Amino acid sequence: GEDVEQSLFLSVREGDSSVINCTYTDSSSTYLYWYKQEPGAGLQLLTYIFSNMDMKQDQRLTVLLNKKDKHLSLRIADTQTGDSAIYFCAEPTPAGYALNFGKGTSLLVTP
Amino acid sequence: DAGVTQSPTHLIKTRGQHVTLRCSPISGHKSVSWYQQVLGQGPQFIFQYYEKEERGRGNFPDRFSARQFPNYSSELNVNALLLGDSALYLCASSPQEEVVDTQYFGPGTRLTVL
Repeated sequence: GEDVEQSLFLSVREGDSSVINCTYTDSSSTYLYWYKQEPGAGLQLLTYIFSNMDMKQDQRLTVLLNKKDKHLSLRIADTQTGDSAIYFCAEPTPAGYALNFGKGTSLLVTP
Repeated sequence: DAGVTQSPTHLIKTRGQHVTLRCSPISGHKSVSWYQQVLGQGPQFIFQYYEKEERGRGNFPDRFSARQFPNYSSELNVNALLLGDSALYLCASSPQEEVVDTQYFGPGTRLTVL
């Protein structure tokens, strides 16, 4: 079947903006999610967007949704070294009972 | 309020053994889901339980089983362990049956099969 696709690696300088992209599979997905995973840790929900929205802003985070292209992006403004982590895009499975994750984008923030 | 808790945090087993992993959801949450995260990959859905009944199952062999107790805590059992079962096992809870809002994840159990 189709997979949620993400670029695997992104490196940015501290203070710059980071943009992490994702292509999801199900155009009927009601919600789309971004999770963060720090080394050796579980998943932390960063933000989510409802499918009838094009954009959602939450402090330094901006989520953009293009339903036509099934494209989701996460922008982190003023990226800090503490933002270094793996970021996962996720959508509900067709039955709606679980999440289907991408492979994750590893973000490295350099001083 | 306590988040999702999992035990043990780390576990080492040998091939052929079986393992039981435990999860306690956030208070008031009735849905528990289990995911397997192999190193370098995203989490893969294994099971979802709601009100003590299995509501969803991912593409995993019958060696994997789970149950949910009246207090909504859950156990994941894996029999006849294989090297490929080495992974981080994540538990997530949510208040509703469907993922209409969000799932909250625990810190995971790191299973190593030798």
